[in-house]
Amino acid sequence: NAGVTQTPKFQVLKTGQSMTLQCAQDMNHNSMYWYRQDPGMGLRLIYYSASEGTTDKGEVPNGYNVSRLNKREFSLRLESAAPSQTSVYFCASWGGADTQYFGPGTRLTVL
Amino acid sequence: QKEVEQDPGPLSVPEGAIVSLNCTYSNSAFQYFMWYRQYSRKGPELLMYTYSSGNKEDGRFTAQVDKSSKYISLFIRDSQPSDSATYLCAMRSNYQLIWGAGTKLIIKP
Repeated sequence: NAGVTQTPKFQVLKTGQSMTLQCAQDMNHNSMYWYRQDPGMGLRLIYYSASEGTTDKGEVPNGYNVSRLNKREFSLRLESAAPSQTSVYFCASWGGADTQYFGPGTRLTVL
Repeated sequence: QKEVEQDPGPLSVPEGAIVSLNCTYSNSAFQYFMWYRQYSRKGPELLMYTYSSGNKEDGRFTAQVDKSSKYISLFIRDSQPSDSATYLCAMRSNYQLIWGAGTKLIIKP
């Protein structure tokens, strides 16, 4: 039981490059989330998927797209990376009121 | 005004002290309140969860919710250097969690 896994752990991109962050959970949770965390800003929700087949925008969706591939996997795509997207990205899954689990994070730097 | 306000600190206290961490919020519809702990370069982990008003205790940790004042607290007794981390409050709204900015706590040996 690995919980929530994310790949890659680190990534450096040049402005304008694209990439996909992968997330998978093995807890059979319905809801999955993508957050970014910046110093002094706390966690900001980018997109979430309340259940398989649905996705919704969060607080800061601009510049990102998501795909809920199946119940286990939820990916985040940056189509044209910008320096403002330099951040730590966390994926999380949520099976109920007190069972939200986070992945280890992806540290992304955009030059 | 943000929905959830939390002092970012840092808060530095000596080992063994009682620590009080707090958040205020503006949305009276919140009913589920959580505290997460985040160690440096790690993902947040759930520490305490409380439904509606009242207290909940778990070992050295006590979570307190005062809905009339829209104020939640986390108390840590007999604080240890291993408690040094960032503590984030969160409140549930439908399928989302609304987060405080986190308070960095430093316990000095």
